[in-house]
Amino acid sequence: GDSVTQTEGPVTLPERAALTLNCTYQSSYSTFLFWYVQYLNKEPELLLKSSENQETDSRGFQASPIKSDSSFHLEKPSVQLSDSAVYYCALRDRGDYKLSFGAGTTVTVRA
Amino acid sequence: GAGVSQSPSNKVTEKGKDVELRCDPISGHTALYWYRQSLGQGLEFLIYFQGNSAPDKSGLPSDRFSAERTGGSVSTLTIQRTQQEDSAVYLCASSLSGGDTQYFGPGTRLTVL
Repeated sequence: GDSVTQTEGPVTLPERAALTLNCTYQSSYSTFLFWYVQYLNKEPELLLKSSENQETDSRGFQASPIKSDSSFHLEKPSVQLSDSAVYYCALRDRGDYKLSFGAGTTVTVRA
Repeated sequence: GAGVSQSPSNKVTEKGKDVELRCDPISGHTALYWYRQSLGQGLEFLIYFQGNSAPDKSGLPSDRFSAERTGGSVSTLTIQRTQQEDSAVYLCASSLSGGDTQYFGPGTRLTVL
């Protein structure tokens, strides 16, 4: 079955630092890849999504799917306090509908 | 517009009791999903409804779990004879159709004592 592996957290970093969260996946099929973000006491919301080999950008975050090593790392060059949240990497096989999520990474940005 | 709503927001129950969790999807969304979020773990798919098609129940962890969707809109997730390991946040999501962007509700936090 499908599986998603993420950077183990928690991750703590200062404002304006660069953030990279690793995500690798296993799937037998062509996939859509996603990053969801969950702020404290809120529901998960879509941060960005990508079909393979297309870079996407949202709220200053970028993710570049690399098919050769099955990765979809999330990056932001300069984080803000408001980026503190739990970040989930997820995939959906083409032709399927359910999402397979990683365990999530808690990110805390400190002043 | 209104997002996905769920009720109750919190539910505390005793082991062995049955519970019902409700989800109201976004109006016009034909696809509805239930996920479970356990402490320290990611979201785990439970069940999927699409229009009038038979639901995909492949993620339900045991036969104590069941769900229905009435009139293609509201869904109820029922857990019978609850166990302590059922304690989790149960999230509902909906999408315009299967495979489209899923929008999550605020979840129901279930605590089984």
